[in-house]
Amino acid sequence: DIEMTQSPATLSVSLGESTTLSCRASQSVGRKLAWYQQKPGQAPRLLISGASTRATGIPARFSGGGSGTEFILTISSLQSEDYAVYYCQQYHTWPLLTFGGGTKVEIK
Amino acid sequence: QLHLRESGPGLVKPSETLSLTCTVSGDSLSSFRYYWGWIRQPPGKGLEWIGSIYYSGITYYSPPLVSRATISVDTSKDQFSLRLNSVTAADTAVYYCARQARGDGDLAFDYWGQGTLVTVSS
Repeated sequence: DIEMTQSPATLSVSLGESTTLSCRASQSVGRKLAWYQQKPGQAPRLLISGASTRATGIPARFSGGGSGTEFILTISSLQSEDYAVYYCQQYHTWPLLTFGGGTKVEIK
Repeated sequence: QLHLRESGPGLVKPSETLSLTCTVSGDSLSSFRYYWGWIRQPPGKGLEWIGSIYYSGITYYSPPLVSRATISVDTSKDQFSLRLNSVTAADTAVYYCARQARGDGDLAFDYWGQGTLVTVSS
């Protein structure tokens, strides 16, 4: 099974700053990777699929990159509504799907 | 606008069967373009994929849950369901249903229900 490791577990970021979240796969997943945002008490929301394609309605300040085993999610100019937990998910091994453990972005 | 809503008991006794239904509105479940999935999240923890179903009834399950989970679909009602038998406290979680893309190599979950908390306790 492919394991997805996200780092760091928590990121403290000031409003207006940019930040980068990391997701590492235990073996190559090509570009079959999605990123989700989850706010407290809410369902996850798809941000990025195909490693770098923003989902409908997602602001341009969210960008994804990487391929193979190393992926990043960059949030530029953090807004108050961006404080949340972010998960990566691989679907290279469909019909086996795995999520990362999440990175919490908190206010510094 | 697509809308998914989970429904079912919020409390299940240990060793019994958890049963949830997801009702889809705003679009037809009978589309070749999508799978329909169940994902769960224990309190304070991360996301775990349980399984997915195609409108034709073809199912896919997470290996750790394959022996206990059953996902079915009723296209006449635009509903799909999850049954998880022999539950324990470890099955306590928020259960989400979600739509899963099925095209151009994309398999992400693009629409989610609001989730329903199921507690396993006597």
